Amino acid sequence: KNQVEQSPQSLIILEGKNCTLQCNYTVSPFSNLRWYKQDTGRGPVSLTIMTFSENTKSNGRYTATLDADTKQSSLHITASQLSDSASYICVVSGGYNKLIFGAGTRLAVHP
Amino acid sequence: EPEVTQTPSHQVTQMGQEVILRCVPISNHLYFYWYRQILGQKVEFLVSFYNNEISEKSEIFDDQFSVERPDGSNFTLKIRSTKLEDSAMYFCASSESWLAGGPRDIEQFFGPGTRLTVL
Repeated sequence: KNQVEQSPQSLIILEGKNCTLQCNYTVSPFSNLRWYKQDTGRGPVSLTIMTFSENTKSNGRYTATLDADTKQSSLHITASQLSDSASYICVVSGGYNKLIFGAGTRLAVHP
Repeated sequence: EPEVTQTPSHQVTQMGQEVILRCVPISNHLYFYWYRQILGQKVEFLVSFYNNEISEKSEIFDDQFSVERPDGSNFTLKIRSTKLEDSAMYFCASSESWLAGGPRDIEQFFGPGTRLTVL
């Protein structure tokens, strides 16, 4: 069964600190892996997209890694800001247009 | 910056009624999608649409649901005979090409969502 599992479920960090979110997937065939940021009550916004051959991709303070052998990905956020408070969703493409979403990690950045 | 828009932002309906959720995708995009997110749960794929046809749909997208591109700009999701469990956020999304399998990464843009409440 195609699944995307994320951990932790929620995380609280202090402003300025770094954090790493994890994603494990069992999706086949695998096309690409995306990380989205979703603010409460809003639609997801794309942060990074990685294909099978890519190990790492950065977007500002966000750096995603992908290990296609172990089917794991991580999203590292450096120097966190209050505006980083949101849900971070790992999404795997299992076909041409079908995205399989993880449940997300809810991040709260406190001053 | 171009964006996907959705109307209404909140729809309240009685069980058994029909609702139509509307979306205006980004103008040069050709691929359209609907997703739903039940409160506190993960986003779920419903359907993808290209060239006036459904290209892929999930098990959730049964005969109760239909999609249409009635003109050159709108993309709609119709839910017939709504049920209590249809209460959710419904997100429309669009992309300029297929999301996978092509020569480059294709980004998918989501709208702000319509919150559907079935009473």
